[in-house]
Amino acid sequence: KQEVTQIPAALSVPEGENLVLNCSFTDSAIYNLQWFRQDPGKGLTSLLLIQSSQREQTSGRLNASLDKSSGRSTLYIAASQPGDSATYLCAVKTSNSGGYQKVTFGIGTKLQVIP
Amino acid sequence: DTGVSQNPRHKITKRGQNVTFRCDPISEHNRLYWYRQTLGQGPEFLTYFQNEAQLEKSRLLSDRFSAERPKGSFSTLEIQRTEQGDSAMYLCASSHGQGEDNEQFFGPGTRLTVL
Repeated sequence: KQEVTQIPAALSVPEGENLVLNCSFTDSAIYNLQWFRQDPGKGLTSLLLIQSSQREQTSGRLNASLDKSSGRSTLYIAASQPGDSATYLCAVKTSNSGGYQKVTFGIGTKLQVIP
Repeated sequence: DTGVSQNPRHKITKRGQNVTFRCDPISEHNRLYWYRQTLGQGPEFLTYFQNEAQLEKSRLLSDRFSAERPKGSFSTLEIQRTEQGDSAMYLCASSHGQGEDNEQFFGPGTRLTVL
């Protein structure tokens, strides 16, 4: 059974600081890993998708890396801004015993960027 | 707006009543997913469709829950005889393609409160 862990559960940083969010998963046989952002009471916004054959993806101030063999991914946010304050979730897609895909989420890291 | 849409956005009901939610995926997305998210937790997979076929159901989807996607476009999720434990955010996502590496796009969710 796939388990996804995100550390830390919460993080508070001053504006302008670079930061790293961590995601680990127990089953390395993944199809892809996706990072999302969720604002309070809202749906999820996709940030970055890393395929199993890739090692990293970049979008603006965001960079996500993937190390399948160790079951880890990191999301790097450069020059953080108050608008980055949200909960960041990682999700891994795997195949279940029936051969169908299954997506497992972590519980997220709640980020607060202080002006 | 060409994103995933969900209706209603909020639903308050009394215990024992039936409720139905609707999800309209991004046009031409052949896969549609339902998730449930409780406070402080990541989304939990409920079920997914490829076109009109329901390919996988989580054990979380008790016999009080039923999902349909009759024409391979919009989907409905019905909960019969609601219980207070059903209170949660119900999220819908869609993706395009036949492969396993496709990116999911989420709707804003339907927040259900069972009194």
